[in-house]
Amino acid sequence: GDSVTQMEGPVTLSEEAFLTINCTYTATGYPSLFWYVQYPGEGLQLLLKATKADDKGSNKGFEATYRKETTSFHLEKGSVQVSDSAVYFCALSDREYGGSQGNLIFGKGTKLSVKP
Amino acid sequence: GAGVSQSPSNKVTEKGKDVELRCDPISGHTALYWYRQSLGQGLEFLIYFQGNSAPDKSGLPSDRFSAERTGGSVSTLTIQRTQQEDSAVYLCASSQYQISGDTQYFGPGTRLTVL
Repeated sequence: GDSVTQMEGPVTLSEEAFLTINCTYTATGYPSLFWYVQYPGEGLQLLLKATKADDKGSNKGFEATYRKETTSFHLEKGSVQVSDSAVYFCALSDREYGGSQGNLIFGKGTKLSVKP
Repeated sequence: GAGVSQSPSNKVTEKGKDVELRCDPISGHTALYWYRQSLGQGLEFLIYFQGNSAPDKSGLPSDRFSAERTGGSVSTLTIQRTQQEDSAVYLCASSQYQISGDTQYFGPGTRLTVL
């Protein structure tokens, strides 16, 4: 079945460091790929998404490129801030032929802590 | 309101009791999902409603779990004879493909604690 694997945390970085959180997926259809973020004490928020191969999603300085050849959707940010401290979830939605929506399949989450 | 709302925000119950959790999706969203977030299992899909179609119940962990969606809007997740392993945060999400594609918008969740 479909699955998402993301690097295990926790990840601790200093402010202004470069961030990469690896995510790879297995899917049988034509998945859309997502990064969701959960800030301390808050609900899940969409960070960015990509719906087809070679698309790049970006938001708040974060980027991820849909790589079909490597089945990956790695999250990157060039300079992290303390306010980026959160748990990051990679997810996919595997649509059937014809565009019918499916549920999200999540990775286990990666906790990021950014120190000043 | 503008977002997905859930109630109650916290629920503490005794083992063996039944509980009902409520979700109000974003107005106009035809798709509604329930997920469960627990320390041991991460984020798990439970059930999916799409318009008037039969729900996809493939993620429900046991027959103690059920959900309904009335009038294509509000949904209630019911857990009968609760067990301690049901303790988790229950998340609801909604989406509307014609508006925002596959993006699902999540509510704040209901934290369920079974004593």
